[in-house]
Amino acid sequence: KAGVTQTPRYLIKTRGQQVTLSCSPISGHRSVSWYQQTPGQGLQFLFEYFSETQRNKGNFPGRFSGRQFSNSRSEMNVSTLELGDSALYLCASSLLTGGEAFFGQGTRLTVV
Amino acid sequence: LAKTTQPISMDSYEGQEVNITCSHNNIATNDYITWYQQFPSQGPRFIIQGYKTKVTNEVASLFIPADRKSSTLSLPRVSLSDTAVYYCLPGTGGFKTIFGAGTRLFVKA
Repeated sequence: KAGVTQTPRYLIKTRGQQVTLSCSPISGHRSVSWYQQTPGQGLQFLFEYFSETQRNKGNFPGRFSGRQFSNSRSEMNVSTLELGDSALYLCASSLLTGGEAFFGQGTRLTVV
Repeated sequence: LAKTTQPISMDSYEGQEVNITCSHNNIATNDYITWYQQFPSQGPRFIIQGYKTKVTNEVASLFIPADRKSSTLSLPRVSLSDTAVYYCLPGTGGFKTIFGAGTRLFVKA
C-alpha cells in the first residue's frame, strides 16, 4: 500500500512569508502527527490530529498551525517565517492508538 | 512523559552484534517501548515494539527486564547499511512527543 506522502519535498521561502505543507496519510490511518527536525534540536513534536481534531500540541509558537481534513489529509502552516524555521518537517500517520507510526520522507524547508 | 537516556554514539564493525540500551526510569504502566531507525534526510522507520520480556522480528530483538526501567535493542550481524540514528521511545499511541537525541550507530567495514 502507498506510504505517507508529503508535498512538496523541497521548498525555499523568504523571511516573513508563509508556507503550507501537505501530508497524505496511509489509507485508513486517522491519526496524523507533525515534527520539526533540525541539527541542533533534533526531532521535535509539533502537533497531532485525529478525526479533524487537534489532540496534542508541542511547544511551538502560534505561527505554527495545522489542520486535518475529513479524508485524514493534513496540512501545516507556518506564518511570518524566520530563518530558524529552516528544517526538515516530517509527518507521520498511524492507526487509532498504539502500534507504529509511519513517517513520510519529509519536506525540507529553507528560509532565506 | 518518560525521559530516556541513550548513548550518544556507538561504533561497530560489519558482522558484529550491536546492543543499544535505553534507560526510561519513570516509564508509565501502560507505556510500550518503541524503537525507530532514521537515515539522514529521511523520516524515522519503525523497528520493533515491546512491553516486557523479549520481542523478536526479522530485523531486531528487544529485551525488556521485569522492572521495565530500561530496554535493549539488539541488532544481529550489522552491515554498513545499519549506520543510522536509533531512537528509543516509551509511550502509548502512534505519535510520540519526545524523541530524544537518539544513538548514532556507525558501522565500519
